[in-house]
Amino acid sequence: EVVLTQSPDFQSVSPKEKVTITCRASQYISNSLHWYQQKPDQSPKLLIKYASQSFSGAPSRFSGSGSGTDFTLTIDSLEAEDAATYYCHQSSILPFTFGGGTKVEI
Amino acid sequence: QLQLQESGPGLVKPSETLSVTCTVSGGSISTSNYYWGWLRQFPGKGLEWIGTLHYSGSTLYNPSLKSRVSISVDTSRNQFSLNLMSVTAADTAFYYCVRLADGSWYSHLDFWGQGMLVTVSS
Repeated sequence: EVVLTQSPDFQSVSPKEKVTITCRASQYISNSLHWYQQKPDQSPKLLIKYASQSFSGAPSRFSGSGSGTDFTLTIDSLEAEDAATYYCHQSSILPFTFGGGTKVEI
Repeated sequence: QLQLQESGPGLVKPSETLSVTCTVSGGSISTSNYYWGWLRQFPGKGLEWIGTLHYSGSTLYNPSLKSRVSISVDTSRNQFSLNLMSVTAADTAFYYCVRLADGSWYSHLDFWGQGMLVTVSS
């Protein structure tokens, strides 16, 4: 199966800073990589689909890039409400898999 | 607005069958535009895909669970259900129902239920 390795596992940042989270796939997955945000006691919510396409309703400060095996989620000018755990997910190769998550603390 | 709601027993005994139902409101489950699925999240926060369903009844399962899992649909009630047999403590998790967009098995998850904790314990 495709292993998705996220880094870092944890990041403590200040408001207005820029955050970069990476997700590396163990196999080529084209652009079939999606990003989700999960706040405490909530279900995950879609932020970015197909590596770089913003999902309707996601704040514009969230952006994604990458293709193949290396992907990045960027949060420009972090806000307090962005404290959450972020997960990547691949839908290219069965079984579909998720990264281990990156917890962002503010 | 589309809503997905999980329901079922929150406590299941070891070796028994875990059953969770997802009720879809604000939209029809009987559309080719979407697929429907089940995921779970373990207490350590890891996420695992369980399986995906089309309203026609076609299914796709995670090979690691395929021998124990069954997903079915009841279009008259706008619901789909998960059955996981022969459970152990390792199956204790939050169970989420989700919608897959783009009319494809291979898609992102654009709507999630709130999740339901199922504990396996005697």
